[in-house]
Amino acid sequence: QSLLTQPPAVSAAPGQRVRISCSGGSSNIGMNYVAWYQQFPGTPPKLIIYHNEQRPSGISDQFSGSRSGSSATLDIAGVQTGDEATYYCGAWDSDLRAWVFGGGTILSVL
Amino acid sequence: IQLVQSGPEVRKPGASVKISCKVSGYTFTESGISWVRQAPGQGLEWMGWISAYNGNKDFLQKFQGRLTLTTDTVADIAYMELRSLTSDDSAVYYCARRGFHSGGYYPDYWGQGTLVTVS
Repeated sequence: QSLLTQPPAVSAAPGQRVRISCSGGSSNIGMNYVAWYQQFPGTPPKLIIYHNEQRPSGISDQFSGSRSGSSATLDIAGVQTGDEATYYCGAWDSDLRAWVFGGGTILSVL
Repeated sequence: IQLVQSGPEVRKPGASVKISCKVSGYTFTESGISWVRQAPGQGLEWMGWISAYNGNKDFLQKFQGRLTLTTDTVADIAYMELRSLTSDDSAVYYCARRGFHSGGYYPDYWGQGTLVTVS
């Protein structure tokens, strides 16, 4: 059972906007920065958001992140079939002294 | 920045496995290395991290006592050893740089993964 809760799956038509939620607690998202990762089957995760909303160099502005209280959201604008992947949120948990991941959300573009 | 891991491993239950992670493209001792695993069809599980600067570590509680993280700062290699393996330890194991960005630390650059099969 992950400390960070994500919906198992979301779907959207091409060109639509998708929101993926990540719910945590006061010891993780509530007090530490959130990161988001994109993972395609058979490949390692790729950091796409850090510091709640910052994008690493080379990451499309199609991806945006936000945090409010103990929850965070990843927005993906204008989804395409190439965005079909599993998305994970993650944050440091100060009580556990451990990095925690959400269970992952599979994005399907119908 | 690249992290290149050692190849797939097969072990019997009760055995140990040691995976290496060779880094390049940045100063090894300026960051730490995190280890994350992913069981088949499952999500990501952070296991622990080690500072390549001073050896400081944190581990997920469930791995305390059977996980060892080390670094070789001459060769720029990090190692992860997991003992007393069971079938539940069958997974792809990733190393990732613990990078510092805008006031926080994140697993940012990842190795290609090492498949460990316990059978």
